[in-house]
Amino acid sequence: ETGVTQTPRHLVMGMTNKKSLKCEQHLGHNAMYWYKQSAKKPLELMFVYSLEERVENNSVPSRFSPECPNSSHLFLHLHTLQPEDSALYLCASSQGDRASTDTQYFGPGTRLTVL
Amino acid sequence: GDSVTQMEGPVTLSEEAFLTINCTYTATGYPSLFWYVQYPGEGLQLLLKATKADDKGSNKGFEATYRKETTSFHLEKGSVQVSDSAVYFCALYSGGSNYKLTFGKGTLLTVNP
Repeated sequence: ETGVTQTPRHLVMGMTNKKSLKCEQHLGHNAMYWYKQSAKKPLELMFVYSLEERVENNSVPSRFSPECPNSSHLFLHLHTLQPEDSALYLCASSQGDRASTDTQYFGPGTRLTVL
Repeated sequence: GDSVTQMEGPVTLSEEAFLTINCTYTATGYPSLFWYVQYPGEGLQLLLKATKADDKGSNKGFEATYRKETTSFHLEKGSVQVSDSAVYFCALYSGGSNYKLTFGKGTLLTVNP
């Protein structure tokens, strides 16, 4: 595997379920990101980890809980979600954490549907 | 705050047509500007970027020039191909938070044979 991979690619869950999204990067990068992509809206940055430390949390509801056990893996734990949380969740990584110089490489995303 | 405005899609063109996707921005200081492309079923990929006024970013036949006087970064390609069908995102980084790119809503391009 190369680049940034995400599993599962599609997920349907009820509002009372607990599930996790997984992201893995094979690029030797030090920073990882979660974004939310909703139809007709700009990408929303949710969380940033740099060297396994969370460095950004953009007012994301607590029903989304990130975890970065090492620099290659990033999880997004989901519980008691709402239908409006249905979206494409994108993971990205970059060598460093400077948006001006460090290109972010994106995974294909997990399409989440909350019923 | 920072913002990016892209032309509303979808844009539908015939193969070999000329492409322009407009992008204007509002930001403090002198931002870096980016175009990302998202092919069907894939994540975003950096297409090109420019970091200062009058810079021209180019890649795969696409070009965009950083125009500070008009706060614009329009994407152009002289002759599109069916394989260029994708969603195109304009984005900027203006400093402050190290990590935060501000994205536009995206423009869907469909190229027909």
